[in-house]
Amino acid sequence: QVQLQESGPGLVKPSQTLSLTCTVSGASISAGSYYWSWIRQPAGKGLEWIGHVYVYFSGSTTYNPSLKSRVTISADTSKNQFSLNLSSVTAADSAVYYCAMRCGSCYNDGFDIWGQGTLVTVSS
Amino acid sequence: QSVLTQPPSASGTPGQTVTISCSGSSSNVGNNYVYWYQQLSGTAPKLLIYRNNERSSGAPDRFSGSKSGTSASLTISGLRSEDEGDYHCATRDDSVSGLWVFGGGTKLTVL
Repeated sequence: QVQLQESGPGLVKPSQTLSLTCTVSGASISAGSYYWSWIRQPAGKGLEWIGHVYVYFSGSTTYNPSLKSRVTISADTSKNQFSLNLSSVTAADSAVYYCAMRCGSCYNDGFDIWGQGTLVTVSS
Repeated sequence: QSVLTQPPSASGTPGQTVTISCSGSSSNVGNNYVYWYQQLSGTAPKLLIYRNNERSSGAPDRFSGSKSGTSASLTISGLRSEDEGDYHCATRDDSVSGLWVFGGGTKLTVL
């Protein structure tokens, strides 16, 4: 079955860039119809969709307007991974970061597969 | 401040029926499918309901979803202790192509 696993530093200094990677097993990130997303959850708060990459369609990306100026999501098909870069971080970016997959052309087109999440703290 | 509005908390006793609401606008809930996610303590969210009222694989039939206008609801009947956790609604928002928005989450307590 499809599994996602986040990895990256758990502590990032203010003003620096947060970088996370999601390793996918059980499916090819290049396969049609799959959208690969990053979603975050600050402690005690709700979920926030950061953006996604659609590798099949030339690696096209869509970002949440609230973060668009600081976010880059990219994919490495040779490693079957996709990544998140969030620049100029502040304490407000401290959260559990999840990677998630959805099948855009499937009848069940919700975020069906999630990674376990990784906690990132922004602090000096 | 989440785009979709959910009550911060809900509660019920075992066997009761509980309903959690999710309110949005014409650009999101009113014009798109609604999805519900269950998040048990310390775990990642899990898709429970898709396309307003379709149960995801493995979701018990005690869970049901509905939508009317710019509001949606998740109903849990025959409440069980293992249902305790956070519930999140989500949908697309037409203000930006491909944008997904979530509610603030509702913490369900089984008394």
